[in-house]
Amino acid sequence: AQKVTQAQTEISVVEKEDVTLDCVYETRDTTYYLFWYKQPPSGELVFLIRRNSFDEQNEISGRYSWNFQKSTSSFNFTITASQVVDSAVYFCALSEAGYGGSQGNLIFGKGTKLSVKP
Amino acid sequence: NAGVTQTPKFQVLKTGQSMTLQCAQDMNHNSMYWYRQDPGMGLRLIYYSASEGTTDKGEVPNGYNVSRLNKREFSLRLESAAPSQTSVYFCASSEWFRGQPQHFGDGTRLSIL
Repeated sequence: AQKVTQAQTEISVVEKEDVTLDCVYETRDTTYYLFWYKQPPSGELVFLIRRNSFDEQNEISGRYSWNFQKSTSSFNFTITASQVVDSAVYFCALSEAGYGGSQGNLIFGKGTKLSVKP
Repeated sequence: NAGVTQTPKFQVLKTGQSMTLQCAQDMNHNSMYWYRQDPGMGLRLIYYSASEGTTDKGEVPNGYNVSRLNKREFSLRLESAAPSQTSVYFCASSEWFRGQPQHFGDGTRLSIL
């Protein structure tokens, strides 16, 4: 069965610190997709990244970087030089590449609440 | 702002009332979704539409109906609202297939009394 675990419920850092949000997933499929979403206090959901299981290259986008390691079933997210605007709940999610029925549903972790203090 | 437009933002209903949540996207996406978000439960898929004229049940479809009017619009209807449907509802669209939402609306906070 698919499962996404975000063990860190809440993290608090001071501005300019680097912070890593952990995500561990379980799946029996060989083809799957991993996602990160951000939900700031205002409540909207913002897509951050989508990564398929065949692409283990790490990705960097500005201050954000993602480390995908299939060997440990992890897809961790690092924010470098954090800012107050990074304060949000961050969700990691898994989608198996199915095309019908329950396959293809997006399984969310419970989220990590990040507070960045000035 | 281009993207996914969802209305209304807030709504209070009495048990048994009906209402329709509207959603439109201007990104020419085929895939559209309706999710609900409850505390501690992440997002749960209510319905999914892969293209105009097609809809598919998600994880929690009971009590809801949907309509994919055209490529742009995907509405969610509560025929007889129940307190258990109190939630935040998100519409989303995507250029990818099922289970992969990409752009979200701002959400609708729905309270059923």
